Amino acid sequence: EPEVTQTPSHQVTQMGQEVILRCVPISNHLYFYWYRQILGQKVEFLVSFYNNEISEKSEIFDDQFSVERPDGSNFTLKIRSTKLEDSAMYFCASSRDGGEYSYEQYFGPGTRLTVT
Amino acid sequence: GENVEQHPSTLSVQEGDSAVIKCTYSDSASNYFPWYKQELGKGPQLIIDIRSNVGEKKDQRIAVTLNKTAKHFSLHITETQPEDSAVYFCAASGVGYMGGSEKLVFGKGTKLTVNP
Repeated sequence: EPEVTQTPSHQVTQMGQEVILRCVPISNHLYFYWYRQILGQKVEFLVSFYNNEISEKSEIFDDQFSVERPDGSNFTLKIRSTKLEDSAMYFCASSRDGGEYSYEQYFGPGTRLTVT
Repeated sequence: GENVEQHPSTLSVQEGDSAVIKCTYSDSASNYFPWYKQELGKGPQLIIDIRSNVGEKKDQRIAVTLNKTAKHFSLHITETQPEDSAVYFCAASGVGYMGGSEKLVFGKGTKLTVNP
């Protein structure tokens, strides 16, 4: 069964450093999302992406964040200058383009980001 | 914006008993309500969902009910088994103007423990 994959599974970085989290969405999906989950808290929406542009972003997704689909398979989240409060589990998700099941978002296993 | 409340935060049942988790939402425009199961160290896994044109949906031992008037929806698990132990999240979203789902707004999660 197709699934969303994410790399790395765990990333440790120092405050102020740039990190890139990578995701490979399900191959026939065209909507892509990033969410994060701070330990013990709700899963929070960061950004959605469709047709090579951001379709919606939350207030968390400030100028330090960016997303990109550099090729036909990868979807990345970049944090330019990490802060301690960016420490969280970051999940990538994808959904289909239209049709009966286009609502369904499928999540990857996550990348645990630790900022020291 | 949308706000989703979920109760209880923890639930402990004996194997074979039923478990019920309840969520309320605030935005009457929301029309898609998925439930996710998250096992330790893994990403959220979609287990069942319901749309606002349906009052109830069942898939083997799990079922979801929706009351649009009261803005609440519930997950029912019957004949619980130890492998049902996990954190369960409810979520709400609308459908984007381009056809795909909008951002998911999650509840805080319910840690379900099924005791053998």
